[in-house]
Amino acid sequence: GAVVSQHPSWVICKSGTSVKIECRSLDFQATTMFWYRQFPKQSLMLMATSNEGSKATYEQGVEKDKFLINHASLTLSTLTVTSAHPEDSSFYICSAEMGSWAGELFFGEGSRLTVL
Amino acid sequence: SQQGEEDPQALSIQEGENATMNCSYKTSINNLQWYRQNSGRGLVHLILIRSNEREKHSGRLRVTLDTSKKSSSLLITASRAADTASYFCATVTGGADGLTFGKGTHLIIQP
Repeated sequence: GAVVSQHPSWVICKSGTSVKIECRSLDFQATTMFWYRQFPKQSLMLMATSNEGSKATYEQGVEKDKFLINHASLTLSTLTVTSAHPEDSSFYICSAEMGSWAGELFFGEGSRLTVL
Repeated sequence: SQQGEEDPQALSIQEGENATMNCSYKTSINNLQWYRQNSGRGLVHLILIRSNEREKHSGRLRVTLDTSKKSSSLLITASRAADTASYFCATVTGGADGLTFGKGTHLIIQP
């Protein structure tokens, strides 16, 4: 089946630094990718919808200057957490949609960010 | 990875009817969640049921959980055209923080 790869799987960084997380669709092209955030044992919260070649659409309450999303190609979307702080520590998951309407959704394995 | 299984994979019903989707999983869980995805949109969380709960309601949604059978069902009553979407179940296991998603059920409500 189709695979979505996230990198890194986990990262520890110092407060104030920026961290980039990559989401790649390995064997299909994804016009649309989604970024989610999950706190421990909590529900997945949609952060933004990333469309190739255009600006991401952010959900209400998500700071676009804090969480920079770039979808430069049909197989790669990146999420950069800028000037990270301990409260940004979380599990970040991406998903990529194969095809258009009702296209199957494939999820990355997630990236755990810990900000010290 | 997606180890949960929803069935049916696709379901088409008339507006006003009830829609039932099932989800099975393989390992012990902390909780199970249902999500909806509308066309071109990301997942939206619908409801969370904990492993010590058997049934939960939220508006027109009713979720059941049978841990002995490792299965859950999502019932949408009095369906509306706007309920047309893909529905995913996801599980949280005891020692992990991530979600494991099923493959989803594509629900079509015909007006």
